[in-house]
Amino acid sequence: EDQVTQSPEALRLQEGESSSLNCSYTVSGLRGLFWYRQDPGKGPEFLFTLYSAGEEKEKERLKATLTKKESFLHITAPKPEDSATYLCAVPTIQGAQKLVFGQGTRLTINP
Amino acid sequence: NAGVTQTPKFQVLKTGQSMTLQCAQDMNHNSMYWYRQDPGMGLRLIYYSASEGTTDKGEVPNGYNVSRLNKREFSLRLESAAPSQTSVYFCASSEIAVNTGELFFGEGSRLTVL
Repeated sequence: EDQVTQSPEALRLQEGESSSLNCSYTVSGLRGLFWYRQDPGKGPEFLFTLYSAGEEKEKERLKATLTKKESFLHITAPKPEDSATYLCAVPTIQGAQKLVFGQGTRLTINP
Repeated sequence: NAGVTQTPKFQVLKTGQSMTLQCAQDMNHNSMYWYRQDPGMGLRLIYYSASEGTTDKGEVPNGYNVSRLNKREFSLRLESAAPSQTSVYFCASSEIAVNTGELFFGEGSRLTVL
């Protein structure tokens, strides 16, 4: 069964304190791994797609990396506006139309 | 450019009542989806429509029906609501180009079933 697990569930950092979020997956034949950001009371917003081990993508203070079993979302010198829940997802074996999402990591950046 | 619009934003129902959640997108996307989000469970796919005229079950379809009214609109119906259907419902859309993972989500519809 395709599965995505994110850790930690919640993370509190001070402004400027760098850290990483983890997304581990078990899926038959990875066809991509996707990161989303979700603000309270809003729908998820797409951030990155990673397709193969070793690939990296960057956007402002965020960098996503991918290995054969997991992905990391590195956040460098975060600001309070980076506070959000970060979700990762993978397509199931049935195809890219069906995504399996992790439970998310709730990130809080204190000023 | 509104993106994905869901109505209503909030709804309270009694057990056994029916209702329809409406979703419309203005990005000319072919594919549309309905997800539910529950604490600790992540987003789970209820139904999706790969293109106009087609619908398919997702991970948790029981208790729901959908209609792809046209390319823009995709509705989700609860025929007889149950407390287990208390959740936040998200509609999403995407271009038919596969494997990009880029879904565009609405802001959600918060449903409480008493």
